[in-house]
Amino acid sequence: AQSVTQPDIHITVSEGASLELRCNYSYGATPYLFWYVQSPGQGLQLLLKYFSGDTLVQGIKGFEAEFKRSQSSFNLRKPSVHWSDAAEYFCAVVKAAGNKLTFGGGTRVLVKP
Amino acid sequence: DVKVTQSSRYLVKRTGEKVFLECVQDMDHENMFWYRQDPGLGLRLIYFSYDVKMKEKGDIPEGYSVSREKKERFSLILESASTNQTSMYLCASSFIGATNEKLFFGSGTQLSVL
Repeated sequence: AQSVTQPDIHITVSEGASLELRCNYSYGATPYLFWYVQSPGQGLQLLLKYFSGDTLVQGIKGFEAEFKRSQSSFNLRKPSVHWSDAAEYFCAVVKAAGNKLTFGGGTRVLVKP
Repeated sequence: DVKVTQSSRYLVKRTGEKVFLECVQDMDHENMFWYRQDPGLGLRLIYFSYDVKMKEKGDIPEGYSVSREKKERFSLILESASTNQTSMYLCASSFIGATNEKLFFGSGTQLSVL
């Protein structure tokens, strides 16, 4: 069975500092990989996705993620965090098109002024 | 603009009550999903539907049922609510197709069972 692990439950970062959120997956082949963001009181919004090709993918809101097959990881990064980035972030995988998503446990990001 | 609407933002129910959570989407999506979200556990799929009157169990269907009589509406039913069903419930929808993994989510219903 596929699974997704987000090792960090909470991360606190200063505004303007860089941010990296970790995601590891457990699946034999390369799955489809996603990052979603949930702002307070909102539903989830897709930040970016990786299906194939270039292992560095760009998303919305200035985020990017890098797929590393050797590490079974898909970490999310942002060079300079804004206060509005305070939210909960979820990594998700699906093993093939049309299959259902499996979500990680989420990482809550707090942004200090 | 894409819209998935959940009828209630907050609900408080008593143990043993029958609870209906409603979800409506206006995007003509084939797929609809119900997730529950709990701290540290992320989102877990309860049920999904890929067509009217069709449903499939997700990862945690016990204690829940669903109904999809019309394409735009997907209802989650707690036949006899229990305290361990206190949670945030999220509805989502998507098109069928190669990239149907892009889900559109509602804002969620926070259910408290007392």
